[in-house]
This record gives sequence, C-alpha cells and structure tokens, in this order.
Amino acid sequence: GQQVMQIPQYQHVQEGEDFTTYCNSSTTLSNIQWYKQRPGGHPVFLIQLVKSGEVKKQKRLTFQFGEAKKNSSLHITATQTTDVGTYFCAVIAGGTSYGKLTFGQGTILTVHP
Amino acid sequence: KAGVTQTPRYLIKTRGQQVTLSCSPISGHRSVSWYQQTPGQGLQFLFEYFSETQRNKGNFPGRFSGRQFSNSRSEMNVSTLELGDSALYLCASTTEYSNYGYTFGSGTRLTVV
Repeated sequence: GQQVMQIPQYQHVQEGEDFTTYCNSSTTLSNIQWYKQRPGGHPVFLIQLVKSGEVKKQKRLTFQFGEAKKNSSLHITATQTTDVGTYFCAVIAGGTSYGKLTFGQGTILTVHP
Repeated sequence: KAGVTQTPRYLIKTRGQQVTLSCSPISGHRSVSWYQQTPGQGLQFLFEYFSETQRNKGNFPGRFSGRQFSNSRSEMNVSTLELGDSALYLCASTTEYSNYGYTFGSGTRLTVV
C-alpha cells in the first residue's frame, strides 16, 4: 500500500527559531493532508494540498506540495511554545481507499522558551 | 457544532475480555473511520464505514470489528483482548469526500492488563 516517510522524527528548537518537517513518497500522491496532535490530544486537521506545486499559508505555517506530487513540507516561522506537538502528514490513496488515511510517522516538535 | 464524541475516554480490561467503543460523528458526517495509535506503530487504520457499510478495512485480525448505525454512530468491538491491544483508539468523521479533512474525537485510551 501507499507509504509516506516523514522526517525528522524529532525536532527541538528554541522559541523563535524556524521548523520544517518533510514528507516523502515513492509514488505520486493524489493529495496530502497535514494534522497536528498536541501532547495528550488527538489529531487536528490543518490543511489539504491537491495541486502540483501548491503552496498554502496559515499565519506562521507554510505548506508546500512538490511539483512531482511526491513530497510535501510544513514550515513554521518563528516557533512559539503553542506550536509544541506532533505533526503528521497523511495521504489517501485513490480508487477504493475510502476513509483510509495513511499517516507518516510524525515529527515531534518541542519548543524551549 | 458539536465535535466527534467518543465514549468511554478510558478503559481498563483484562486479557481475554472483549470491549466495545462508541463514536458519534459530527452531525451530517456519514463517513466514520477508526484508528489505533501506539507509540511503536503510530496511527494505523482499522476500518471505515459509510451509510452503514464497511468500505475499507485495515490490516488487523478478525478480533477487531465494527459497525455503523443508521444515524451514522459507530461502534468498534475487540474480542479476546491481548496485552498488545493497549492503545489509543481514535474515531474520525468526514463528509462523503475527504477534501475537508477528518475530524477526530478525543479517543478512548484502552489498557489491557
């Protein structure tokens, strides 16, 4: 089945530094979604990317979908302590993969004040 | 609007027992998916229901089953519990299409002793 590799597994930053997590696939993706899970919480949907080369911004968060639709990234500018959590990318294979999100391993972000 | 509601929040069971978890999706969401989250395996897809029909199933043994009712509420059942079934079980709902992302419930933390 479709798999996505997410790196890095952990990222420790000082408050104010930037952060980036990457998701890579060996196959072309139809779309990719990003979720954030706070410690002790549940995944919360952030965004979906569908188009080749798509770039979307949400305040300090910038999401990109690669031109070949095989990779994606999430970049946070000037991290804050509220950004702490695990960031997951997730994909749905096409065809009959209804409701089946395949998640990356996640990147655990810690922010030191 | 109300979010996805999962009950119970915490559960402790003994090996060999069975357990039933409940999920009430967001009103109007007809697709309900279930995921198992563990530190070692991450987020893994269990199954997805739409209009009372299971459309997709993950790679879990037959001890894991589910169903969906006409009001879109869903239940999952795990029979003959094993220690390795200890996990956070998450339910997620969405509209017929996943373009708007999945809304996750707070999960049921199952501990098997």
